[in-house]
Amino acid sequence: QVKLLQSGAALVKPGASVKMSCKASGYTFTDYWVSWVKQSHGKSLEWIGEIYPNSGATNFNEKFKGKATLTVDKSTSTAYMELSRLTSEDSAIYYCTRALMGWGQGVMVTVSS
Amino acid sequence: DIQMTQSPSSLPASLGDRVTITCRASQDIGNYLRWFQQKPGKSPRLMIYGATNLAAGVPSRFSGSRSGSDYSLTISSLESEDMADYYCLQSKESPYTFGAGTKLELK
Repeated sequence: QVKLLQSGAALVKPGASVKMSCKASGYTFTDYWVSWVKQSHGKSLEWIGEIYPNSGATNFNEKFKGKATLTVDKSTSTAYMELSRLTSEDSAIYYCTRALMGWGQGVMVTVSS
Repeated sequence: DIQMTQSPSSLPASLGDRVTITCRASQDIGNYLRWFQQKPGKSPRLMIYGATNLAAGVPSRFSGSRSGSDYSLTISSLESEDMADYYCLQSKESPYTFGAGTKLELK
């Protein structure tokens, strides 16, 4: 069945970057957009952006342009998101999704000195 | 950006109740509306897509409907396993936007 396995939790210092992974299985990776979604503690969901693995095309929420970078490795069916210049506002759980249908288990990112 | 206004934010209900959660779209989104269920510590789970279509494995007590720019998720007879947060999502136009969520809890 469709699975999205995300990397583990991260504790990072303010100003640093973090790169997380999302390994897909159970479907043809290149056929579906991979979206990334942010959930701050106790709050709703925000769509960050999406990438189409077949071409590498991306779409972003303007709010996250310059903050998030999306890439894929088709050889391993893995999507990546890198967040840069981290602040406390970036502390959240980040989910990858297959076309906003199936979801990974989430990655908790904590930004703290 | 398209705003999704979700109500209520909290919904106390009893087992066996019929409950309805609503999202109103600020612009036309056609039937590009999904509903997700999220339990504590878990990822969101797709319940309804295309405004009215039940996702695979979702119990038939869940249903989705549309009236103009208002979209509703209805649970016909509430069960204990349904206690969760529910979110709507519009996927008509980027940036895709979620409602603020509804916490369904036991009265």
